[in-house]
Amino acid sequence: QQQVKQSPQSLIVQKGGISIINCAYENTAFDYFPWYQQFPGKGPALLIAIRPDVSEKKEGRFTISFNKSAKQFSLHIMDSQPGDSATYFCAASKGAQKLVFGQGTRLTINP
Amino acid sequence: DAGITQSPRHKVTETGTPVTLRCHQTENHRYMYWYRQDPGHGLRLIHYSYGVKDTDKGEVSDGYSVSRSKTEDFLLTLESATSSQTSVYFCAVNGGLGGPGLTYNEQFFGPGTRLTVL
Repeated sequence: QQQVKQSPQSLIVQKGGISIINCAYENTAFDYFPWYQQFPGKGPALLIAIRPDVSEKKEGRFTISFNKSAKQFSLHIMDSQPGDSATYFCAASKGAQKLVFGQGTRLTINP
Repeated sequence: DAGITQSPRHKVTETGTPVTLRCHQTENHRYMYWYRQDPGHGLRLIHYSYGVKDTDKGEVSDGYSVSRSKTEDFLLTLESATSSQTSVYFCAVNGGLGGPGLTYNEQFFGPGTRLTVL
């Protein structure tokens, strides 16, 4: 069964620090890897995404690092802020097929 | 929010009753999805649609049915609700490049429906 495993389940980081969330996948046919951010009471919102032809993608303070050989990808949040406190989900898909989500990471940024 | 609304936003019902949740989109997206979100499980796909009257099962489809008679509406029905179906339900659309060859799976989510089955 296609799976995406996400860790850690919860993470506490001090303001200004770097938050790192990791995901591992099994299906080498996956070709699209998004990260979603979800605030309490809201739907998940697409944050940033990467395709396997690049090893890194950066958008502002958010960076995806992708390691194709290890079948792993990670989200790095630089200069973490209290407003970044949310639940983050990684996901993967092949083409236009169904997204497979990780279990989620609850991130808390302490002021 | 990609023009997605869900109704109702909250519902409390009793075991054994039928329940229908509605997802409405205004941007003519071809692909629509229903997910459920439960602690420790992330988001799990229930059913999805790739066009009017074209639907398929996801990984947790037992106990659920869907219908799509118009492009803009995707309905999720619990024929006989059970307590295990207490969850938050999200609708999503595929906002990626359209046409016969979608090149990526950029999904946008609605605000969710919190369903409690007593």
